[in-house]
Amino acid sequence: NAGVTQTPKFRILKIGQSMTLQCTQDMNHNYMYWYRQDPGMGLKLIYYSVGAGITDKGEVPNGYNVSRSTTEDFPLRLELAAPSQTSVYFCASSYRGQGNQPQHFGDGTRLSIL
Amino acid sequence: DQQVKQNSPSLSVQEGRISILNCDYTNSMFDYFLWYKKYPAEGPTFLISISSIKDKNEDGRFTVFLNKSAKHLSLHIVPSQPGDSAVYFCAASEEGGKLIFGQGTELSVKP
Repeated sequence: NAGVTQTPKFRILKIGQSMTLQCTQDMNHNYMYWYRQDPGMGLKLIYYSVGAGITDKGEVPNGYNVSRSTTEDFPLRLELAAPSQTSVYFCASSYRGQGNQPQHFGDGTRLSIL
Repeated sequence: DQQVKQNSPSLSVQEGRISILNCDYTNSMFDYFLWYKKYPAEGPTFLISISSIKDKNEDGRFTVFLNKSAKHLSLHIVPSQPGDSAVYFCAASEEGGKLIFGQGTELSVKP
């Protein structure tokens, strides 16, 4: 029972480089989310998806893009990495988009941009 | 302008005693409140939740209290155990299940 799997676990990027953070879930959940956590802060929502082919912005979407071609996968793309994007990124999923359906989180990707 | 706040960055308690973690919010439209627990290098894991129409929810050693008039909720852990040492996040749910998190409180339970 893998749950939510994120790859890679760690990555160092140079300013201006691009990369894709991968997220896959095997629970057949409809809703998927991307959060970032900066030191000493709570998680902030970047993008979310209510199903394949449907995505929407969260609180901090600038500098990121997402796609949802399948139920299982929800990759997050950084096109032009900036130092302000140094953070820990968490992907999460839930069966429904309701508060009584807790989100299941992956173990995160720690990203440093130098 | 934080909608969910945890004003205590850290809390230290003795094993066997009660741990009380607090959370304040500003938006009365939140429909659920959740607590997540996070160990280092792991993702948050769901602990307990409460509907905005309830004032208490209990699950084993964990109880969450909601005071809607004060826009305040608290998590009680009784008795506290060393394995409870972690960062605890309060979160509020809005439309579409989107979560707004507090900054977290690091709980340390001393043997």
